[in-house]
Amino acid sequence: KQEVTQIPAALSVPEGENLVLNCSFTDSAIYNLQWFRQDPGKGLTSLLLIQSSQREQTSGRLNASLDKSSGRSTLYIAASQPGDSATYLCAVRRSGNTPLVFGKGTRLSVIA
Amino acid sequence: DGGITQSPKYLFRKEGQNVTLSCEQNLNHDAMYWYRQDPGQGLRLIYYSQIVNDFQKGDIAEGYSVSREKKESFPLTVTSAQKNPTAFYLCASRSPLPEAFFGQGTRLTVV
Repeated sequence: KQEVTQIPAALSVPEGENLVLNCSFTDSAIYNLQWFRQDPGKGLTSLLLIQSSQREQTSGRLNASLDKSSGRSTLYIAASQPGDSATYLCAVRRSGNTPLVFGKGTRLSVIA
Repeated sequence: DGGITQSPKYLFRKEGQNVTLSCEQNLNHDAMYWYRQDPGQGLRLIYYSQIVNDFQKGDIAEGYSVSREKKESFPLTVTSAQKNPTAFYLCASRSPLPEAFFGQGTRLTVV
């Protein structure tokens, strides 16, 4: 059974710092991986989607990489801002029709 | 605007009551999902539906029921058999990519 782990569980950084969030999964046979942002009491917002054939995806200050063979993905946030404070979740999909399996998330606080 | 609408935002349930959470999407997606989120835990899958009139149990289906009579709608009923229903419930749909999109959630509290 697929298991997704996110480390660290919580992270606090000063504004302007570059940071990396980690996601690992036990079964490397994935179809794609998705990173989400969740603000307190809100739903999930999709940040980046990486297909299994891709190595990375970029959107603005966000860059996500995927190393499928080692079962790892990282989310890089450049020049962090207080508005980046949220919980970040990663999730993997085994095939096109299967549901996502989620990690427990990393709670990020960016201090002004 | 295309998206997923969950209602109500807050819901209170008395002991022994059944309650229904609404999820509507206008994205024309075939697949829809219900997840439960508890503090300190990741999202856990309750039920999902790949197509109208078909649905499958997820990891924690006991005490819940669903229907999928229309493509746009996937309501979740929390029955009295669910002993610990207080949680944040999230509905999602899946695009052909596939990429998942989520609603804003319903917070259910037992009173």
